[in-house]
Amino acid sequence: QTVVTQEPSFSVSPGGTVTLTCGLSSGSVSTSYYPSWYQQTPGQAPRTLIYNTNTRSSGVPDRFSGSILGNKAALTITGAQADDESDYYCMVYVGSGISVFGGGTKLTVL
Amino acid sequence: QVHLVESGGGVVQPGRSLRLSCAASGFTFSTYAIHWVRQAPGKGLEWVAGVTDSGSHKYYADSVKGRFTISRDNSENTLYLQMNSLRADDTAVYYCAKDVWGLTGVDSWGQGTLVTVSS
Repeated sequence: QTVVTQEPSFSVSPGGTVTLTCGLSSGSVSTSYYPSWYQQTPGQAPRTLIYNTNTRSSGVPDRFSGSILGNKAALTITGAQADDESDYYCMVYVGSGISVFGGGTKLTVL
Repeated sequence: QVHLVESGGGVVQPGRSLRLSCAASGFTFSTYAIHWVRQAPGKGLEWVAGVTDSGSHKYYADSVKGRFTISRDNSENTLYLQMNSLRADDTAVYYCAKDVWGLTGVDSWGQGTLVTVSS
């Protein structure tokens, strides 16, 4: 059973930079896991930010970027804005058609 | 513009069945894999199932394997999720989501349909 780990919460100051991470309880996340990132505000459907590690989805500003940092996938937000305050989820592809989401990170901008 | 509209949610008793539908438009449905993702009240996202573009290959999370069946009708641009032996912990908003490539990620989401399993 693959467990995907994310920070439960994080805070960033307006205009600041924050990096959220996505790891595995056992092993490392690499590009072979095709990590993707999703943003969700309460009561709304998720919105895709990043797929295939670092490809921004259509319409996503370049303040959002994806990468691999060490043994984890990472989502970096630069120039944080008030409306970036959301829940952020990563998803990894574990093979054989199966994907797994992390538990999500609640980002506060204050 | 990709448009995904889920339907079929509602209140159902434990042990009963329900079928969800997802009507797709704005893209060539038959050339993309599709996912079902759910979110229990106050909880995170959970990947549920995926089906390849032709419908020939289907994949499931362990939590629903043997109870749920994903299928698609490419002539009708519609995705389905047949849910049998429903349990209280299946209560969630169910989203259909368009695949990026090879069932490795999602690039578009529907608005979701709520399924409540309760006696």
